[in-house]
Amino acid sequence: GQQVMQIPQYQHVQEGEDFTTYCNSSTTLSNIQWYKQRPGGHPVFLIQLVKSGEVKKQKRLTFQFGEAKKNSSLHITATQTTDVGTYFCAGGKKTSYDKVIFGPGTSLSVIP
Amino acid sequence: DSGVTQTPKHLITATGQRVTLRCSPRSGDLSVYWYQQSLDQGLQFLIQYYNGEERAKGNILERFSAQQFPDLHSELNLSSLELGDSALYFCASSVSSGWGASNEAFFGQGTRLTVV
Repeated sequence: GQQVMQIPQYQHVQEGEDFTTYCNSSTTLSNIQWYKQRPGGHPVFLIQLVKSGEVKKQKRLTFQFGEAKKNSSLHITATQTTDVGTYFCAGGKKTSYDKVIFGPGTSLSVIP
Repeated sequence: DSGVTQTPKHLITATGQRVTLRCSPRSGDLSVYWYQQSLDQGLQFLIQYYNGEERAKGNILERFSAQQFPDLHSELNLSSLELGDSALYFCASSVSSGWGASNEAFFGQGTRLTVV
C-alpha cells in the first residue's frame, strides 16, 4: 500500500541554525500537506502544495513539492525555540475517495 | 482554538473495559476523521465519516467502532481494552469528503486514554 516516509526522525539544532525535513512517498501524490504539532499539542495545518515543483514560503519556512510529486521538503531558516515540535507531512492521493496518509514525523529540538 | 471539540480530555480505565470518545466537528464540516497517536508514534488513521456515512477505513481494530450522527458529531467506541490501546486519540474535521483534494483538516485537542 501507499507509504509516506520522513527523515530524519529526530533533529537537534542550535538556535539560529537551519533545519530541513524530507518527506517521500512510495506513490505519486495529488498534493502534500504539512502539519506542526507542539509538545503536548495537536497537529496544526501549515500549508498545502499541489503543483509539481511548487515552492511556497511562510516567513522562515520554505516548502517544496518535487517534480515527480513523490517527495517534499520543509526548510526552516535560522531556527528559533518557538520552532520546537514535530513536523508531519501528509500525502493526499485521489482514489475513489480522497485519502491522506501521514508520515511518521520529524521531531525538532532547538537548543537555546 | 481549532473549533473541533473532543471529550473527555483524559480517560483512565481498566483492561477489558469499554469507552466512548466524542468529537464535535467545526461548524459546517461534514467529514470527521479519527487518528490514534501512541507514544513516539505518528498519526495512525483509523476511520473517516462523511455526512453520516463511513467513507474510509484505516488500521482500525475490530474491537473499535465509530459512527457519525445526524448532527455530525462522531463517537469512537473502544471495547475489550488492552494496555496497548493507551494512546492519544485525535479527531479531525474538514469541509468536504476530499481532505486531500483541496482543504486542510482541523484537529481537536485529543483524548488521552490510559488503560491500566
